[in-house]
Amino acid sequence: GAGVSQSPSNKVTEKGKDVELRCDPISGHTALYWYRQSLGQGLEFLIYFQGNSAPDKSGLPSDRFSAERTGGSVSTLTIQRTQQEDSAVYLCASSLRREPGANVLTFGAGSRLTVL
Amino acid sequence: QKEVEQNSGPLSVPEGAIASLNCTYSDRGSQSFFWYRQYSGKSPELIMSIYSNGDKEDGRFTAQLNKASQYVSLLIRDSQPSDSATYLCAVKNSGAGSYQLTFGKGTKLSVIP
Repeated sequence: GAGVSQSPSNKVTEKGKDVELRCDPISGHTALYWYRQSLGQGLEFLIYFQGNSAPDKSGLPSDRFSAERTGGSVSTLTIQRTQQEDSAVYLCASSLRREPGANVLTFGAGSRLTVL
Repeated sequence: QKEVEQNSGPLSVPEGAIASLNCTYSDRGSQSFFWYRQYSGKSPELIMSIYSNGDKEDGRFTAQLNKASQYVSLLIRDSQPSDSATYLCAVKNSGAGSYQLTFGKGTKLSVIP
């Protein structure tokens, strides 16, 4: 597509419920990132996918968080048993892995998660 | 732990003035640096990238890099109210995890008409 598409744009859930957030990257972009942005905070790296390589999950804050990327395109971030501290904007970004433009990230509009 | 530090602001400048935004980083091996602009309630958008020491100009924006001092800055000339946003400094990690960007918390800029 023309840009990075994320859904839902807003999600309100009750504590303890599971949520799924979806990201459709720019066509042809092999690298996909998930970041989290809490109120007044910077962007916190969560997970990175590059092609068919094993993802870098080093930023996932707990085992309640998981993500997958099917067919090297669409990615889903799943948060199980949500807690109030999970409330944040979850941003997906994609990029072409090429020099000198490597790591030029294009962000989606984000999914705002509110856990009551 | 790789860190990127920015003054959170708010930085207030009058319309037409030069806004100067600063950033320091801890990863001495970093080679690529980026400035993203984030309007309230919106996602970050790339406005400048810089890879070499010195200045890089693009329209009203100038990025400055000093790797020896581990310092990056962004100058906005002839500031406009539409420039009011949070500016995020991002640094490409060196070594392991070099595909990651580490972001600062951002500096909020307010341009007063």
